[in-house]
Order: sequence, then structure tokens, then C-alpha cells
Amino acid sequence: DAKTTQPPSMDCAEGRAANLPCNHSTISGNEYVYWYRQIHSQGPQYIIHGLKNNETNEMASLIITEDRKSSTLILPHATLRDTAVYYCIVRAGGTSYGKLTFGQGTILTVHP
Amino acid sequence: GAVVSQHPSRVICKSGTSVKIECRSLDFQATTMFWYRQFPKKSLMLMATSNEGSKATYEQGVEKDKFLINHASLTLSTLTVTSAHPEDSSFYICSAPRGTGVSAFFGQGTRLTVV
Repeated sequence: DAKTTQPPSMDCAEGRAANLPCNHSTISGNEYVYWYRQIHSQGPQYIIHGLKNNETNEMASLIITEDRKSSTLILPHATLRDTAVYYCIVRAGGTSYGKLTFGQGTILTVHP
Repeated sequence: GAVVSQHPSRVICKSGTSVKIECRSLDFQATTMFWYRQFPKKSLMLMATSNEGSKATYEQGVEKDKFLINHASLTLSTLTVTSAHPEDSSFYICSAPRGTGVSAFFGQGTRLTVV
């Protein structure tokens, strides 16, 4: 699976949008971009994924650049409960959804 | 609600004893489950793939005789840490892909402390 690079930490004010970047410059054509988050002392939680189109669900939006070498996870109205470690993961289609390679992630801290 | 459940959430054991951690898929069958380990302030590291009805597949560097995995049914995988030592203290997390879904569901994790 392609390697990803994320900033180690970010801050965000409550109610503001949190934009978390991820670089995956070596991504292959059949690899998806996944985002998970891990709240302290809990198991990771799936957020969203995409291949090349932008995606939106009830939790977040995912913006993937046209060349697919980077992406941004957007939490439109961050709350204190969004404080967590956010992992950007690139996974090849056809491989098991459960077999994931986690990087160091971005620690997002949402301030009041 | 949770779709993958781990038990126990916390366990403290004495050095040299064995500890069993259970991972259950609650409303779906999982022929494959995954076990991860996470040390403090570190990321998750895949330890092994648990396969229902066959042997587990271990990642490089993971001792299969120390971390025994049994996938007894389509909804249950267990990880047994044998002859535990303080360096085995960690956060152990399981996951299971759900049918034809596109994501994995993770258990809430088990905090193991070996004293």
C-alpha cells in the first residue's frame, strides 16, 4: 500500500471547519484513500473513503486532488468530541478491508 | 451501536500468566478478523490475521507461539497472550470487515497491563 504523510498535529476552534491534509504521492490507480479516527483509548472509527471523486457523508467530506497525490478531510463544524487522532490510509481495492496499515496520523485538538 | 465487541476492556495480570482476549462480531459473520497492537503514543501495528477454520497468519516479527489466535466460529476470534511479560503490556484491538461493506469495524480495545 502507498505511504501517506500527515502533519503530526493540528488545532481547530469549536464550530469551525477542520481541514486535515494528507499526502499520498505514490498512490496507485487502484488504491483508495480511507480516513479513520481514534479517540483516546478507543478503537479506530471509519469516517469516509474515496477513489478519485470528492465524497461527503454525515461525518465529513473528502476532497481528493485531480492527480490523486493528496487529499483533505474536512470536518465542517468541529466539536470538542472530534478531538482525536486522524489516520489517512491508502488501501488497494480487492484487499481485505480489515487489513490496514496505519501511519502516525494527525492529532486534532478542538478548542472551546 | 458497536458491531465488534472486545472483552475484557481492561485486564491486569501477573508476569508469567496467560490472558485471553475475545473479539466478537455482533450482528454479522466474519470469516476473517484482524488483531492489532498499539503501544502508548504510537500507531496501530497489525499483528495477525485470524481465519475462521484455519490457522492465523502472523506478521513478520510476531511470535505465533506467544500470541495464540483461535477463530472458533464465524463470530468469535480470541487472542491469548501466553506467559505474559511486562513488555507485552499494550492496547490490543481487533477488527472485522463487514460483509460486502467498504470499511472495517474495530472493537473498543483491551488494555493489558502485566505486572
